This record gives sequence, structure tokens and C-alpha cells, in this order.
Amino acid sequence: SQELEQSPQSLIVQEGKNLTINCTSSKTLYGLYWYKQKYGEGLIFLMMLQKGGEEKSHEKITAKLDEKKQQSSLHITASQPSHAGIYLCGALPYSGGSNYKLTFGKGTLLTVNP
Amino acid sequence: EAQVTQNPRYLITVTGKKLTVTCSQNMNHEYMSWYRQDPGLGLRQIYYSMNVEVTDKGDVPEGYKVSRKEKRNFPLILESPSPNQTSLYFCASSPRGNYGYTFGSGTRLTVV
Repeated sequence: SQELEQSPQSLIVQEGKNLTINCTSSKTLYGLYWYKQKYGEGLIFLMMLQKGGEEKSHEKITAKLDEKKQQSSLHITASQPSHAGIYLCGALPYSGGSNYKLTFGKGTLLTVNP
Repeated sequence: EAQVTQNPRYLITVTGKKLTVTCSQNMNHEYMSWYRQDPGLGLRQIYYSMNVEVTDKGDVPEGYKVSRKEKRNFPLILESPSPNQTSLYFCASSPRGNYGYTFGSGTRLTVV
């Protein structure tokens, strides 16, 4: 089965600093999703990437998918306390099949200190 | 508003007492799925459904049942809950399972 490795597991940054979270798969991905979760709450959709080399931005968050479609990065510019939370990457397997199971990494806990 | 609605948000129950967590979506999605989230283990799929009357097991189906009698509803049933089913549960839906996932707000279940 497909596994997603996220790094780092946790991250503490000072407000205003930039940061990057990585998500790596051992297999080629059909689609890569980034979600944000406040502790114990629901998942907020951030971005979806499908094409190799694709890059998307929303406000101060940029996500990229590499050409091989096995690695993605999430970059936050000038972090703010509102960016704090758990960031999850989720991916669909390239082979598809009858279950398009969205598999998740274990998450990155981001703390932004004012 | 397009959404996935789960109920209840919080539930404390006792071992062995049957319970149902409801999930409803208003987007006419064919695909629905249940996940549980546990510290250190992340989100794991319990069951999924490709359409009405079509369901199958995910990675951790033991102790759970589901049904899909209508397109919009996908309840999760715990016939005899045990403490190891204490978890945060999420329902998700997607037009066909290969894109556009929407998640519910979660149900925090505690089994004592």
C-alpha cells in the first residue's frame, strides 16, 4: 500500500518567518492534497495538485508537486499565528482501482510564536 | 451550502452499547468514506462506498458496519463499541472518489 512520509513532524517558528513542510511518497501519485486541521477539528482543504511540476498558491501558502509526482512541498511565507495547526498531505494512488483511497501522512504540527 | 454533515459531534458511551454516527452530504456525490484519526497513527480508512448499495472495507474495518441505502447518507454503525474504538471519526465524500474530497467536521467518540 502507498505510504506518505511527512517532515518535519513538528515545527516551531517565529511569526514572520518562512517555513516548508514536505510530503514524500514511495510511489507515483495520481493526486496530492494538502489539508489544514485545528487540533481535534475538521480538515480544511488547502490545495490539490495533479500534474508533475504543478505549483499553486493561495494567499501566503504555496504548494508544489515535483516532476516525478512523488514529492510535494508546502511553503508558508511570512507566517502568522493564524497559520498554526496540523498540516496533512493526502494522496491518491496512481493505479486507481475500485477504491480511490485517499491516504494521509501523519501530519506536521506547526506552532507560530508571536 | 455544499457540505458533509456528521452527527453527533461528541459522544461518550459505554462498552457494548450499539451506536450510529450519521453522515449526510448534499452534493450528490457518488463516493463516501469513513476515516478514524488517532495520535501517532494518522487518518485511516474504515469503510468506503462507491455508490448506493456498494460498500467495501478499508484498512481498519473490524468492529464497524456501514450501509448506503441512499446516495446522500452513509452511517457508521458500531454494534458493540469497545474502548479501542475511542477516536476522532471523519466522513468524507467525493464526486467519484478521484478528486474533490469534502470532509465533515468530525465526531469525537469516547467509549468507557
